[in-house]
Amino acid sequence: GAGVSQSPSNKVTEKGKDVELRCDPISGHTALYWYRQRLGQGLEFLIYFQGNSAPDKSGLPSDRFSAERTGESVSTLTIQRTQQEDSAVYLCASSLAGSPLHFGNGTRLTVT
Amino acid sequence: DAKTTQPTSMDCAEGRAANLPCNHSTISGNEYVYWYRQIHSQGPQYIIHGLKNNETNEMASLIITEDRKSSTLILPHATLRDTAVYYCIVRPYYGNNRLAFGKGNQVVVIP
Repeated sequence: GAGVSQSPSNKVTEKGKDVELRCDPISGHTALYWYRQRLGQGLEFLIYFQGNSAPDKSGLPSDRFSAERTGESVSTLTIQRTQQEDSAVYLCASSLAGSPLHFGNGTRLTVT
Repeated sequence: DAKTTQPTSMDCAEGRAANLPCNHSTISGNEYVYWYRQIHSQGPQYIIHGLKNNETNEMASLIITEDRKSSTLILPHATLRDTAVYYCIVRPYYGNNRLAFGKGNQVVVIP
């Protein structure tokens, strides 16, 4: 498994509950990105990590969304008090500086 | 904030070369042209990138015009598995290296 791994692959949750989405990047990749893709839409940037720091959080849609990265490795995207409009595929990507991004296959989140 | 323009969709014949155009007239000198594709229910897959010279790898060729205002991705022998949404993206080498995805070009390979 040399690629980007995301878990769970599917998540169904009730409106108002909190969810955590996990991303395991390619080993050694210093940069990590989260994107969101709503059904039939393009990719929407959420947040970018360089190491464990997040110099660009500009895409987080509200303060219900947060993300962290530890050990320059695993990252967790947390959505609090989920709403139906949060339903989407959440994609994670990693890269070395200046190199192409490698994406996982995403977590499909459904808020009922 | 995508800075590229692509057709919304196009069909290509199986076994023929597929030429996918992209306009990026406002590209800056430090920006590369990247191509990704997304097959249904998968994450985007990197294809190729270039600065100003033409590039070729095992998947495709990238032809960039001399003024760098447009480029063409060439799939030399399209197969049914090449059916996907293709994204042309400009991205600076340094600084925040996020990719700004537009709506892409839905390419359908016809048997």
